[in-house]
Amino acid sequence: AQSVSQHNHHVILSEAASLELGCNYSYGGTVNLFWYVQYPGQHLQLLLKYFSGDPLVKGIKGFEAEFIKSKFSFNLRKPSVQWSDTAEYFCAVNAPGGSYIPTFGRGTSLIVHP
Amino acid sequence: DSGVTQTPKHLITATGQRVTLRCSPRSGDLSVYWYQQSLDQGLQFLIQYYNGEERAKGNILERFSAQQFPDLHSELNLSSLELGDSALYFCASSARTGEFETQYFGPGTRLLVL
Repeated sequence: AQSVSQHNHHVILSEAASLELGCNYSYGGTVNLFWYVQYPGQHLQLLLKYFSGDPLVKGIKGFEAEFIKSKFSFNLRKPSVQWSDTAEYFCAVNAPGGSYIPTFGRGTSLIVHP
Repeated sequence: DSGVTQTPKHLITATGQRVTLRCSPRSGDLSVYWYQQSLDQGLQFLIQYYNGEERAKGNILERFSAQQFPDLHSELNLSSLELGDSALYFCASSARTGEFETQYFGPGTRLLVL
């Protein structure tokens, strides 16, 4: 069965700091990869996704993620965070082995201090 | 706004009771997914319906059931409720099912069982 690991459970940054959130998955074949964000009290919103092609994916709000197949990773980055980026971030993977039902990581809570 | 709607937003009920949560997918989406989000379990996939038929099952309890109607809206029925069923229940939809599908999440229903 596929699994997703998000190693950073809680991250605290100051505004303008750079962000990198780790995501590793276990499935060895073709995968679809996603990052979602959940602002306090709100639903999950899609930040970006990777299906194929350029492994560096640009998303909304200045976020990007890089798919590194050899490392089974899909880390999320942002060069300069803002207070409004305070939220929970979820990595998700879907793959044939999981009937293409996305498996979500446990999430990373990001707090950005102004 | 993702285009996925869920009602009610909040639900408070007692142990042993039964509730029904409702989800309307984005216009044109045939696939509906239900998730449970709790602090200790994270985001857990419950069940998927595609064009009226059950497509995939996750960690759904026998006390829970769902269906998707001809107009593609879906209902999640939770019965014999226990304190531990208190959680956020999200519905998501996608155009179809399988590879290269992106899920769009609704605002969720917050269930509190007292």
